[in-house]
Amino acid sequence: DQQVKQNSPSLSVQEGRISILNCDYTNSMFDYFLWYKKYPAEGPTFLISISSIKDKNEDGRFTVFLNKSAKHLSLHIVPSQPGDSAVYFCAARDGGGSEKLVFGKGTKLTVNP
Amino acid sequence: GAGVSQSPSNKVTEKGKDVELRCDPISGHTALYWYRQSLGQGLEFLIYFQGNSAPDKSGLPSDRFSAERTGGSVSTLTIQRTQQEDSAVYLCASSLGTGSYGYTFGSGTRLTVV
Repeated sequence: DQQVKQNSPSLSVQEGRISILNCDYTNSMFDYFLWYKKYPAEGPTFLISISSIKDKNEDGRFTVFLNKSAKHLSLHIVPSQPGDSAVYFCAARDGGGSEKLVFGKGTKLTVNP
Repeated sequence: GAGVSQSPSNKVTEKGKDVELRCDPISGHTALYWYRQSLGQGLEFLIYFQGNSAPDKSGLPSDRFSAERTGGSVSTLTIQRTQQEDSAVYLCASSLGTGSYGYTFGSGTRLTVV
């Protein structure tokens, strides 16, 4: 039973436009959400996070939005750049005191020049 | 070191053999995690070490899997009697621990069981 779902396996956008990656979750106990970016043959790298008590966090071109009532979060990248092409994983932390994360299956983003 | 180091980067083994995967976390990071990514899947939690506390082994898929962390630093993940379904990329990550968000991952060990 997947607790973190990324329903779009892939997304393609034009350079300069906005990329929106979506993530849904089922466990209302999750207290922290993170996005990771992964290039081929490398480990995932931490990108941005948001606490469950907030609804928005922004870092440069990256903004994460959280809608707790809908159990939905999204990552916005604007403007998108070809170097953003990677697999993006959504992850959530169980609020029960453990630091382990539950990951989605990832969305492959392709930014076309 | 500057990052999380994993070895080997690739491992091909015959079904039924034992394998050991090594992880060197970032110096000073008290938390260490093992995940694996099978083809087309997300990252699956395996085990988590935090300081001197008992590890959280709740993600280990069977008793063929075990892990230890010596001296609060290097960790070894051991898979006994490997099966073809064990083929995956095994990722190690470390972090500063409780209250610190965002792991640093290594590049992983790609394990292929033939």
